[in-house]
Amino acid sequence: DAGVIQSPRHEVTEMGQEVTLRCKPISGHNSLFWYRQTMMRGLELLIYFNNNVPIDDSGMPEDRFSAKMPNASFSTLKIQPSEPRDSAVYFCASSLLAGTDTQYFGPGTRLTVL
Amino acid sequence: AQSVTQLDSQVPVFEEAPVELRCNYSSSVSVYLFWYVQYPNQGLQLLLKYLSGSTLVKGINGFEAEFNKSQTSFHLRKPSVHISDTAEYFCAVSSRSNDYKLSFGAGTTVTVRA
Repeated sequence: DAGVIQSPRHEVTEMGQEVTLRCKPISGHNSLFWYRQTMMRGLELLIYFNNNVPIDDSGMPEDRFSAKMPNASFSTLKIQPSEPRDSAVYFCASSLLAGTDTQYFGPGTRLTVL
Repeated sequence: AQSVTQLDSQVPVFEEAPVELRCNYSSSVSVYLFWYVQYPNQGLQLLLKYLSGSTLVKGINGFEAEFNKSQTSFHLRKPSVHISDTAEYFCAVSSRSNDYKLSFGAGTTVTVRA
């Protein structure tokens, strides 16, 4: 298996623009996670999907952030409008089952908002 | 809520020497504990996890960790490191009620020198 696939790997945009990050989980995995990694706040869980349904979005910072999972093989994280403080590495992870099953991380998208 | 403190931000070590990375957690409920490794420009990879049972947990790449409930610790050890172990290591905790929700420590950067 190719593992968790994220695109783009790098994104540079200007403040106010819309940004869409994409994730393809490992085939057959039922749980999907979006994380954000910054120097100041470390790794934070943004949102958790199980069987394509958002279960926990308490980590989504504000209304500018939204995430969707239209099917089992695709998820998006959208920021509109983007701000410089959104600059971070965004990781997608998937696991076969819910709970403590091993989470497999993608390589991340490094977002820079100017 | 749970939290994790990684006591060392950076650990330099010579090749073939042992290494110990310290992790303490705080929680009012029973927890699950994890160690992840992040190689440069990559996503996180699970090294090992403690769910229940034996307090000594063996993981991949020769790493092991010991759960100590009385000291609320989960220290990671390797008896002999290689140059390829140079990476950032994250301790994480989740609770039994929200077992999918990992709270990560700030990370420990291990640099192995020849």
